[in-house]
Amino acid sequence: GEDVEQSLFLSVREGDSSVINCTYTDSSSTYLYWYKQEPGAGLQLLTYIFSNMDMKQDQRLTVLLNKKDKHLSLRIADTQTGDSAIYFCAERYSSNTGKLIFGQGTTLQVKP
Amino acid sequence: DGGITQSPKYLFRKEGQNVTLSCEQNLNHDAMYWYRQDPGQGLRLIYYSQIVNDFQKGDIAEGYSVSREKKESFPLTVTSAQKNPTAFYLCASMAGGSRMNTEAFFGQGTRLTVV
Repeated sequence: GEDVEQSLFLSVREGDSSVINCTYTDSSSTYLYWYKQEPGAGLQLLTYIFSNMDMKQDQRLTVLLNKKDKHLSLRIADTQTGDSAIYFCAERYSSNTGKLIFGQGTTLQVKP
Repeated sequence: DGGITQSPKYLFRKEGQNVTLSCEQNLNHDAMYWYRQDPGQGLRLIYYSQIVNDFQKGDIAEGYSVSREKKESFPLTVTSAQKNPTAFYLCASMAGGSRMNTEAFFGQGTRLTVV
């Protein structure tokens, strides 16, 4: 079935790197996304990766995709207190509905 | 500025009442979506619409209804049949569900509380 799993909580010190992990079950997924949610707000797209890619880098963000293990990770370099938020990974299927399946979200706490 | 607007930000519902959450977008997007967010459960799809005057049930449609009379509007009604409506509701839009390389834009959400 359709399922996306994330760990619920991660705590890091300011300046360290953060790595948020995600696993998914549908091998036919086409795009995989990382969204950020600040308290009481909607979701903001951070980055996405197409399923035929292994890695994508965008400034402080690095996305790694292991298709064999169906594992996706988001690395945030030089984590800042402003990065504290909930991070969701989501997968999109090959169907044409645009439907996204979200993980539970990982709360990132950045300590000064 | 183009964007997607949800209103109200906070909504209180009495037992047995129907309430309607508003979602408007001026992005000229074809597809619109309603998600429900509960703590520790991520987002779950309630309803979606890929074109005006058409919509489909998502994973948790029971107790909800929608309409899509205009391209820019996709209101969600939470009916009295929804037994546990207290949640954060998010609306999203996308340029076209069949176009793969597109981003979903989200509104700021409506927090619904049953009192």
